[in-house]
Amino acid sequence: DAGVTQSPTHLIKTRGQQVTLRCSPISGHKSVSWYQQVLGQGPQFIFQYYEKEERGRGNFPDRFSARQFPNYSSELNVNALLLGDSALYLCASSMVGREGYTFGSGTRLTVV
Amino acid sequence: QKEVEQDPGPLSVPEGAIVSLNCTYSNSAFQYFMWYRQYSRKGPELLMYTYSSGNKEDGRFTAQVDKSSKYISLFIRDSQPSDSATYLCAMSLYGGATNKLIFGTGTLLAVQP
Repeated sequence: DAGVTQSPTHLIKTRGQQVTLRCSPISGHKSVSWYQQVLGQGPQFIFQYYEKEERGRGNFPDRFSARQFPNYSSELNVNALLLGDSALYLCASSMVGREGYTFGSGTRLTVV
Repeated sequence: QKEVEQDPGPLSVPEGAIVSLNCTYSNSAFQYFMWYRQYSRKGPELLMYTYSSGNKEDGRFTAQVDKSSKYISLFIRDSQPSDSATYLCAMSLYGGATNKLIFGTGTLLAVQP
């Protein structure tokens, strides 16, 4: 079985640009969450979607947005990029009634 | 004060040693506790998941939760070089598929052959 897949794996953007990150959950998983992991820190919760509805939002500015599609894949959008947005962006999926989350390998975003 | 505190290490041990990794937390409402392992340039991998005080064992790994002290631990027996990674504790208020995780900062472990 394929795990959680994220694309692209690496990305370099310039300050002020916009970026879209993509995530495909494990087949059968209807919940998708996004986390930001800055170097040397633990992941920080950004968004959670379940059955295409937003179920949670972390303490991130409105420049961050996300959505979940009918096939349960998800996109994370970040507008007006800042240098401080440079991080590993992780997507995690989960199945109702199961324990824990399965993370993808992440998208490493560098803002220059 | 952070909700979850974790010693960042780094921690270096010889092969075969017993490793103890620890986290403390401030929110007594946390009910679910997890340990993730993260290799360099990879996403976190779930190692242990528990929701009650006490010990849970899985092979060489034992997760311990003390809710009265708001303290959790992960023990690794007979540590191997392949255990070298960053270990993250994580907690949540609720279980299930619609809940956010609060992570510690991670402890970097190096097991020397």
